[in-house]
Amino acid sequence: DVQMTQSLSYLAASPGESVSISCKASKSISNYLAWYQQKPGEAYKLLIYSGSTLQSGTPSRFSGSGSGTDFTLTIRSLEPEDFGLYYCQQYYEKPHTFGSGTKLEIK
Amino acid sequence: EVQLVESGGGLVQPGRSLKLSCVASGFTFSNYGMNWIRQAPGKGLEWVAYISSGSSYIYYAETVKGRFTISRDNAKNTLYLQMTSLRSEDTALYYCARRDYYFDYWGQGVMVTVSS
Repeated sequence: DVQMTQSLSYLAASPGESVSISCKASKSISNYLAWYQQKPGEAYKLLIYSGSTLQSGTPSRFSGSGSGTDFTLTIRSLEPEDFGLYYCQQYYEKPHTFGSGTKLEIK
Repeated sequence: EVQLVESGGGLVQPGRSLKLSCVASGFTFSNYGMNWIRQAPGKGLEWVAYISSGSSYIYYAETVKGRFTISRDNAKNTLYLQMTSLRSEDTALYYCARRDYYFDYWGQGVMVTVSS
């Protein structure tokens, strides 16, 4: 199985700051990578797919980059509603696997 | 508005069975592949099973293969997960999610607890 590693399990930042969340695959997955956000009491929300394509409704302050094994989710100018859990997921091959998540909290 | 609503969870003894349902609305259910994904308490996400729009293609995680069966009724806009020979490690929040590769809509999840 492709292992997805999110090296940072926790990240604290202030509104207005920019943050980057990394995700590394154990083998090349081309750009078959998605990013999700989860907030307490809410359903998981797809933010980005194909490594860098914003899902409809995802604010433009979110961006995704990378291909192969290394990927980054960047959030520019954090808004209060951006705080929560972020997961990456590869869909290059089955089983589709997820990273362990990065919790973004308010500093 | 796309909605996915899971039901059927609960407390079950090891070795017993349980059937989860996911009712879809707000989109043409028969056009989309569907998945079950789970999250054990304090753990990460694990994809469990996939079924194509017409049920022609079905895939399972190795951890559930032979014990779980995914199915769907397109006339009822409903996705199912029949779980048998349940183990304590199957304890998790189970989500249904839409689409073949990445998952664009998720339900809120239903809790399954396997314990004696």
